[in-house]
Amino acid sequence: GAVVSQHPSWVICKSGTSVKIECRSLDFQATTMFWYRQFPKQSLMLMATSNEGSKATYEQGVEKDKFLINHASLTLSTLTVTSAHPEDSSFYICSARVRRGDEQYFGPGTRLTVT
Amino acid sequence: TQLLEQSPQFLSIQEGENLTVYCNSSSVFSSLQWYRQEPGEGPVLLVTVVTGGEVKKLKRLTFQFGDARKDSSLHITAAQPGDTGLYLCAGGSGWGKLQFGAGTQVVVTP
Repeated sequence: GAVVSQHPSWVICKSGTSVKIECRSLDFQATTMFWYRQFPKQSLMLMATSNEGSKATYEQGVEKDKFLINHASLTLSTLTVTSAHPEDSSFYICSARVRRGDEQYFGPGTRLTVT
Repeated sequence: TQLLEQSPQFLSIQEGENLTVYCNSSSVFSSLQWYRQEPGEGPVLLVTVVTGGEVKKLKRLTFQFGDARKDSSLHITAAQPGDTGLYLCAGGSGWGKLQFGAGTQVVVTP
């Protein structure tokens, strides 16, 4: 159990365009999902917390107008990178909180390359 | 911000050797998770410890949570090439948000 999927697994886009990444909990309902960013050979950096039916909470330094998060249902959260630039190229990973407590299950990640 | 320091940053050992990874903080956590991540993939949860002094074993992996719930260790016995990966510890506040350590890259050569 506790399977999280992401789509797409990789995407290449041109500078100035927008890209949407989907995160789904496949066998459970997730009231809370998280979005992380990871640079090569580094740890995960939390970008935002996504709660079903409410606005996302962004970490300090993360532009909410650039990284739009929508948690429309208990099994789906989306991250849209708007007006992407080459510096937005990174590995984006989502996770879902299964139950009360701190355990999170992670998706396989999405590799974004902006040219 | 609660900071988690992981050590060492990199560990290269031969198959059959033992290794220990440490995760330390000056702050108290309600829980501590250990994950393993392989290149191009998301982290996979290995274990969650919640009680001070708790020890959990998962085959050749032994996880310990410090008595004061500020530190943790991961010990691998008789490492195998399949143990290669980035090991991440993450401290939890009890509200779902995790603070990740910088990670320890483990390489086990045959």
